[in-house]
Amino acid sequence: AQKITQTQPGMFVQEKEAVTLDCTYDTSDQSYGLFWYKQPSSGEMIFLIYQGSYDEQNATEGRYSLNFQKARKSANLVISASQLGDSAMYFCAMREALYGGATNKLIFGTGTLLAVQP
Amino acid sequence: DVKVTQSSRYLVKRTGEKVFLECVQDMDHENMFWYRQDPGLGLRLIYFSYDVKMKEKGDIPEGYSVSREKKERFSLILESASTNQTSMYLCASSLPPPRNTEAFFGQGTRLTVV
Repeated sequence: AQKITQTQPGMFVQEKEAVTLDCTYDTSDQSYGLFWYKQPSSGEMIFLIYQGSYDEQNATEGRYSLNFQKARKSANLVISASQLGDSAMYFCAMREALYGGATNKLIFGTGTLLAVQP
Repeated sequence: DVKVTQSSRYLVKRTGEKVFLECVQDMDHENMFWYRQDPGLGLRLIYFSYDVKMKEKGDIPEGYSVSREKKERFSLILESASTNQTSMYLCASSLPPPRNTEAFFGQGTRLTVV
């Protein structure tokens, strides 16, 4: 069964420093997608970045990059040059069977609360 | 822009009431999801619909049912609300894989059962 694990309930980072948020996953599928979402205190869910299991390059979107290590089943989010506005809850998520079926659920981890300090 | 709209932002219901949470999306997405979010537990999938009238149980379907009669609308039903169903409920929609499967979320409904 698919599973997402985020082991860091909370983290602090100094403004302008880089931070890595951990995510490990469990799946028996060969084709899957990994996502990161940001949820600020306002409650909206904001899509940040996507990595497909067959993508050879690590995904990057501006200050966000995804450190994808397939053999270790990890998909860590790296935020470079942290800003005060990065303070939020961050969720890692996964969909299986990208090419194989209709019933591909999207499941989430428990989240990491990031606090950026000035 | 994709828009996912949940019918209520805040809802207060009594124990034993039948509760309907409505979600509408305007991007012709096949896939729709209902999650509940609780502190320390993240987002847990209640039900998933991959097409009209098609549904699949998520990780915590007990006490809930769903309805998808039209493509744009996905309803979550609490047959007999209980206090342990007090939570934030989030609806989402997406295209099916292998197309871009980013999910778009509604603003959430904070349900309190008293």
